[in-house]
Amino acid sequence: QKEVEQNSGPLSVPEGAIASLNCTYSDRVSQSFFWYRQYSGKSPELIMSIYSNGDKEDGRFTAQLNKASQYVSLLIRDSQPSDSATYLCAVRSFGNEKLTFGTGTRLTIIP
Amino acid sequence: GAVVSQHPSRVICKSGTSVKIECRSLDFQATTMFWYRQFPKQSLMLMATSNEGSKATYEQGVEKDKFLINHASLTLSTLTVTSAHPEDSSFYICSARETTLRETQYFGPGTRLLVL
Repeated sequence: QKEVEQNSGPLSVPEGAIASLNCTYSDRVSQSFFWYRQYSGKSPELIMSIYSNGDKEDGRFTAQLNKASQYVSLLIRDSQPSDSATYLCAVRSFGNEKLTFGTGTRLTIIP
Repeated sequence: GAVVSQHPSRVICKSGTSVKIECRSLDFQATTMFWYRQFPKQSLMLMATSNEGSKATYEQGVEKDKFLINHASLTLSTLTVTSAHPEDSSFYICSARETTLRETQYFGPGTRLLVL
């Protein structure tokens, strides 16, 4: 059973629309949640981190965390072609220094 | 802030040679660094966790004698691929975890290794 699950996509979204990326996790003691963006051939880049239930907004990005339902999501408003990438969800449990990554969702923004 | 560098960015070597990859945290101290490997169109695979001043912890299936890791300071970790073979060709990425309450991991730009 995968510990962090993401829809692999590809997810296609028209330019200017909202892209919604979802992630579920199995470990209930998970406490830190991260979204990374990875362009093809490049290394992951941190987009957002979230630690408590609710929404966290940063520019066009909003992370949402619901620990009761064990899911975390990333919303990208006013999607741009430059947002086309693979988005990785990562989770760290209490007392564990490693991150557990999902397999990533490939997002394509259609001009 | 939170910049991680890797050197070299790309290396081509002959089969049987050893290759050293450096990972540096430029503007923060990292007691823990991680080494990942990623094959084309596949997920990140954690190879090992490197703690400053102690032996690295390797993931299951990763040969510690083949992938030597040294974490000699709070800003530098090295990965040496010994006796490299073509199947070791991959994208090697390090990350460094900042030693603050949130302990976020920041990734280096990666090193693309091609073994001929």
